[in-house]
Amino acid sequence: GAVVSQHPSWVICKSGTSVKIECRSLDFQATTMFWYRQFPKQSLMLMATSNEGSKATYEQGVEKDKFLINHASLTLSTLTVTSAHPEDSSFYICSARPPGLAGVDTQYFGPGTRLTVL
Amino acid sequence: AQSVAQPEDQVNVAEGNPLTVKCTYSVSGNPYLFWYVQYPNRGLQFLLKYITGDNLVKGSYGFEAEFNKSQTSFHLKKPSALVSDSALYFCAVRAFKAAGNKLTFGGGTRVLVKP
Repeated sequence: GAVVSQHPSWVICKSGTSVKIECRSLDFQATTMFWYRQFPKQSLMLMATSNEGSKATYEQGVEKDKFLINHASLTLSTLTVTSAHPEDSSFYICSARPPGLAGVDTQYFGPGTRLTVL
Repeated sequence: AQSVAQPEDQVNVAEGNPLTVKCTYSVSGNPYLFWYVQYPNRGLQFLLKYITGDNLVKGSYGFEAEFNKSQTSFHLKKPSALVSDSALYFCAVRAFKAAGNKLTFGGGTRVLVKP
C-alpha cells in the first residue's frame, strides 16, 4: 500500500532556531501534499497545500514566512518552521495525494513529527 | 463552507459490545465523507469513505458507516468492539467541488474499550 514517511519523528530545538520537517511518499508520486497541525487533544488543522513545482497555498491565518513549504519533487515536500518559538510546539502531520483520478479522494498520512521548542 | 461535528469527546464501551461514533456534517452540494483512526503519536489511518452509491459503507478492521442524507450524518459503527479499537477517531468531509480537494476534520472522538 501507499506509504508516507516523515522525518524526523520528533525534534526538540531552542527558541529562535529553524527546523525542517520532511514528508516523503515512498511508493507513489504525489503531485499534492498537505501539511496539518494538531494540538494536544484537538483535531487536525490544515496549514497549507503543497503542489509540486509551484508555490504552496496557505490557509487563512497561517504565516507563509513562518512556515516555509517546498515541494521540489513528486515524492518530497518539506516544511521549515523558521525562528521557532514555544507556541510553535505541536504535532505536524503531512499527507500525500496520488495524481490523477485515483488521487482525488485519497490522502495517505504520514506518522507525524512532534516539535518541541524550548 | 464545510464543517464536521463529532458531538462526543469520548465514548466508553465494554469489549464485545457495539461501538458507535457519531458524526454530522455540513457542506454545499454532495459530500465526500471519511473516517480515520489515530493511535498515540501516530498519523491517521484511513478506515472508510463514502463517495456515492450504497449508503452503508464497509471499511477496515470490521468498521462500517452509514450515510444518512436527511440527517446529514455519517456515524461509524462496529458490531463488537475490541480493546485494540481504543484510539482517536476523526470524521472528515469535503464537498464534491471543494477547492483543492481540502478535507475538513471533526474534533475527534476518543474511544476507550474496556476489557
